[in-house]
Amino acid sequence: QQQVKQSPQSLIVQKGGISIINCAYENTAFDYFPWYQQFPGKGPALLIAIRPDVSEKKEGRFTISFNKSAKQFSLHIMDSQPGDSATYFCAASPGGTSYGKLTFGQGTILTVHP
Amino acid sequence: DAGVIQSPRHEVTEMGQEVTLRCKPISGHNSLFWYRQTMMRGLELLIYFNNNVPIDDSGMPEDRFSAKMPNASFSTLKIQPSEPRDSAVYFCASRMLATNEKLFFGSGTQLSVL
Repeated sequence: QQQVKQSPQSLIVQKGGISIINCAYENTAFDYFPWYQQFPGKGPALLIAIRPDVSEKKEGRFTISFNKSAKQFSLHIMDSQPGDSATYFCAASPGGTSYGKLTFGQGTILTVHP
Repeated sequence: DAGVIQSPRHEVTEMGQEVTLRCKPISGHNSLFWYRQTMMRGLELLIYFNNNVPIDDSGMPEDRFSAKMPNASFSTLKIQPSEPRDSAVYFCASRMLATNEKLFFGSGTQLSVL
């Protein structure tokens, strides 16, 4: 019940295209859904996050879509750039004092070709 | 803001040796997390502290692993004795309780146990 399933494992997109990564969760106690970006040799860095009381959140080229009834959420990267090439992780955690208790998806390696 | 500081960046040791990983959280953050990243298991939470008190250590693999947080600005993760299957990247992360759900990761310690 603690799993977060992420797909696809890898994704190749042309510059300017849209990258879409999907995640599904089971635990209805999850209250916070962040996306992290990780470059080789670096720690994960928070990209954007959403709570289940909204269905969409947009920050620049990055958008999270959230479907509470289906227990699914996705990351859309508009106008993808070569600099976006990285590994992306979805995650979920309970709320309150447990916000950092993240369950991560398995990651998606994104490659954006120039 | 110096971010979360981890040391060493790389550690190579032989099976059976004791390994100590160190972490300095962001100043003012009072919640600290230890995560481990491997190809097989992805990113998984080992233990976390709130206000220097261990809250959940259910992710600690076995008794060979121990973590301490003697004060608000320092934490250690110790493995004794180390085994080859402990080889992984170990991340420390911190956040501020009550006001901010955002979790900030350090750059990690790459541990290789030969």
